[in-house]
Amino acid sequence: DTEVTQTPKHLVMGMTNKKSLKCEQHMGHRAMYWYKQKAKKPPELMFVYSYEKLSINESVPSRFSPECPNSSLLNLHLHALQPEDSALYLCASSQGTGLSGANVLTFGAGSRLTVL
Amino acid sequence: KQEVTQIPAALSVPEGENLVLNCSFTDSAIYNLQWFRQDPGKGLTSLLLIQSSQREQTSGRLNASLDKSSGRSTLYIAASQPGDSATYLCAVGGTGRRALTFGSGTRLQVQP
Repeated sequence: DTEVTQTPKHLVMGMTNKKSLKCEQHMGHRAMYWYKQKAKKPPELMFVYSYEKLSINESVPSRFSPECPNSSLLNLHLHALQPEDSALYLCASSQGTGLSGANVLTFGAGSRLTVL
Repeated sequence: KQEVTQIPAALSVPEGENLVLNCSFTDSAIYNLQWFRQDPGKGLTSLLLIQSSQREQTSGRLNASLDKSSGRSTLYIAASQPGDSATYLCAVGGTGRRALTFGSGTRLQVQP
């Protein structure tokens, strides 16, 4: 298995809702990442987990809460989001830790989030 | 701080043409450079990865080159097809804490 699987593919939520995005990989990768991508912009790094521990938080608002229950799973919990948070959320994983540019990332297909 | 620039931002060509996409970066202290393809609203598909010690990589009709000293990479697409229409992103694996720095992409449209 050489894939990163993200669910759901599409999510529409109101500003008072609580929802979660899920990401799964079975490649034995030890680092997992969340990126946010707005339309016609490059992906922007949000969080990095290395060995199931949060190693990078790029000053992301607390309404986004990441969780890494085990080495294969990464969640992004969403609460009290704003319409400007609407974007494509990409998950990625790499064999090495998340703190080096030497790592090669494998990306998932993304979750398209719309906040009403 | 690493900055990655891709030129042109958009490109439209007739089917069958050979074309070159450009990527430049400001800090030559890199581990690797990766070219991705992204279809509208979809995730990133890795096309080619060039390690810093390599000069080029080839996959089918795609050839990517890397000149670390001048901070440049090119992606050459031979005999373009309508199915090649997508956004092409280059990303540099550097030494900073963000690890991977993306360019803004080139939106390619191949006309049948």
